Amino acid sequence: EIVLTQSPGTLSLSPGETATLSCRASQLFDSSYLAWYQQKPGQAPRLLIYGASSRATGFPDRFSGSGSGSDFTLTINRLEPEDFAVYYCHQYGSSPITFGQGTRLEIK
Amino acid sequence: EVHLVESGGVLVQPGGSLILSCSASGFTFSYHAMHWVRQPPGKGLEYVSGIGSGRGSTYYADSVRARFNISRDNSINMVYLQMTSLRAEDTAVYYCVKGSENYFLYYHMDVWGKGTTVTVSS
Repeated sequence: EIVLTQSPGTLSLSPGETATLSCRASQLFDSSYLAWYQQKPGQAPRLLIYGASSRATGFPDRFSGSGSGSDFTLTINRLEPEDFAVYYCHQYGSSPITFGQGTRLEIK
Repeated sequence: EVHLVESGGVLVQPGGSLILSCSASGFTFSYHAMHWVRQPPGKGLEYVSGIGSGRGSTYYADSVRARFNISRDNSINMVYLQMTSLRAEDTAVYYCVKGSENYFLYYHMDVWGKGTTVTVSS
């Protein structure tokens, strides 16, 4: 099983700053199968990044994904108030399909 | 626009059974895999089950295998999750999620429903 460990658990930043979220896998896997989701309170998750670096429809280019092997990063530049949420990484290339435990991005 | 609407979530006693339904619209349903993902109160996401576009291929998390059954009816754009032998740890919001392609593995999930709440308690 590929265990995804996200860090930090909580990230406190101010609008305008840059957020760097990490997702580390317990073993190497193809980056084609790595996604990120954004979830706001009381809402369903929303696809943000797939294939490690492809941005989903509706998200600005302030959001970017990168990484390969076992280390993946979600970067959010110039944080806007609406960006503060919980972010989950997710791998869908190996059984069992797994999610990271999430990183909460909160306003400082 | 893609819409996924879940229903069927209720309060059920431990050991009980339940069927969740998901009505899909806005896309060619028969071309896409469908998934169920759950989220216990205050916790993270857990993948539960997936079904390929042709109904023949299914996938279950170890935690629900032999207790849950996923199915779909491509004629009416519906996907179902039959849940039996329910436990307290099955308490969660259950989301219906559209797959981006026809198979549940190797392709990301792209659109989520709003979820339906299942509570297992006596």
